[in-house]
Amino acid sequence: VLTQSPGTLSLSPGERATLSCRASQSLSSSYLAWYQQKPGQAPRLLIYGAAIRATGIPERFSGSGSGTDFTLTIRELEPEDFAVYYCQQFGRSPPTWTFGQGTKVEVK
Amino acid sequence: EVQLLESGGGLIQPGGSLRLSCAASGFTFSTYDMAWVRQAPGKGPEWLSVISGTGLTTHYADSVKGRFTISRDNSNNTLSLQMNSLRVEDTSVYFCAKSRGSLYRVWDSWGQGTLVTVSS
Repeated sequence: VLTQSPGTLSLSPGERATLSCRASQSLSSSYLAWYQQKPGQAPRLLIYGAAIRATGIPERFSGSGSGTDFTLTIRELEPEDFAVYYCQQFGRSPPTWTFGQGTKVEVK
Repeated sequence: EVQLLESGGGLIQPGGSLRLSCAASGFTFSTYDMAWVRQAPGKGPEWLSVISGTGLTTHYADSVKGRFTISRDNSNNTLSLQMNSLRVEDTSVYFCAKSRGSLYRVWDSWGQGTLVTVSS
């Protein structure tokens, strides 16, 4: 189980966003990812391997963490960053993918 | 450019069946695992099923095991999901997704989704 906090983050453009994802069991950093989703769109891969930015993702997005605690940081929020963010873990045996419940980053 | 285009969604009565398709282009389809992921209104994504590039290996979430069947046609670059015994709680937008690769096990490209509504 992945638990994300907070449920909603109210910030202004230019501010720093810090999103948390906590796993119920320790997992390999290789198997933790973050996605961004805007209304009416599919999720978009942001970070994989806990800290590796996906292709085309701006440097203001960064991921960190290990074990059970992982963080997504958005350094200076741009207007297009206001969205819902999900963390996702991969479980090896049997193969399963689990998403957190999401953190909504909204305009304050 | 990777493109994934789902089709086949619609309104179906409980207990009915529906087959979703996903047309893939812009990459070597047969070399990537593919998945179906759904998202109920206002909820987070839920992974449903994965199929290996060859089509020989499949896995399912417990919520759909025995009711849904994933398959692929590598000659036509098409992924499918056969959904039987549909329930009201299966109402969701269904996405197909492409794996980034075997090391990191994430989904790096997604279709736009197709809506399945199960209701009497």
